[in-house]
Amino acid sequence: QVQLQESGPGLVKPSQTLSLTCTVSGGSIGSGGHYWSWIRQPPGKGLEWIGYIYSSGSTNYNPSLRSRVTISVDASKNQFSLELTSVTDADTAVYYCARERPPGGAGWFDPWGQGSLVTVSS
Amino acid sequence: DIQMTQSPSSLSASVGDRVTITCRASQGISNYLAWFQQKPGKAPKSLIYAASGLQSGVPSRFSGSGSGTDFTLTISSLQPEDFATYYCQQYHSYPITFGQGTRLEI
Repeated sequence: QVQLQESGPGLVKPSQTLSLTCTVSGGSIGSGGHYWSWIRQPPGKGLEWIGYIYSSGSTNYNPSLRSRVTISVDASKNQFSLELTSVTDADTAVYYCARERPPGGAGWFDPWGQGSLVTVSS
Repeated sequence: DIQMTQSPSSLSASVGDRVTITCRASQGISNYLAWFQQKPGKAPKSLIYAASGLQSGVPSRFSGSGSGTDFTLTISSLQPEDFATYYCQQYHSYPITFGQGTRLEI
């Protein structure tokens, strides 16, 4: 079955750029018509959807983060990536990648990656 | 954005209890609602989609209901492994939003 795994630095300095990659295994990111999303969860808090990408490269971002977020895809590597610029300590969170279901539209998230804790600190 | 409000924020219960968690949307979302379970240090796990659809592999003691603005998640007979935090999520429109969570504890 499809599995997702986040990777990237666990520590980012304030004002710098947070970069994470999600590697998809057990299925092709370019087939099935799914949207692939990033979601984050600050320590001890709730979940915030960041945005999604489709295999064609089309994206949709949360307006609250749109000015700082870029999600990209590399179908040849079966990966999609997140960049968040000008980070502050408010961006400290566990970052999850997830597949949206059903294909082709807004949906729920299944499966999820295990999550990657990113701490913003000097 | 559509605001999702869960109640209660926390709940104490015992093994064998029947438990109901409520989620209210700030506007009508038809049945575009999902429920997730999250245990400490773990990723959320999908339980229910389309308000009442049981995700494959999820025990039948979990059920969901509702449409429009008011939804419920019911656990018919609590098991020890069910003590966790539960979140609702609307997917009627972007941005996708989640409830604040309900912590279910002994």
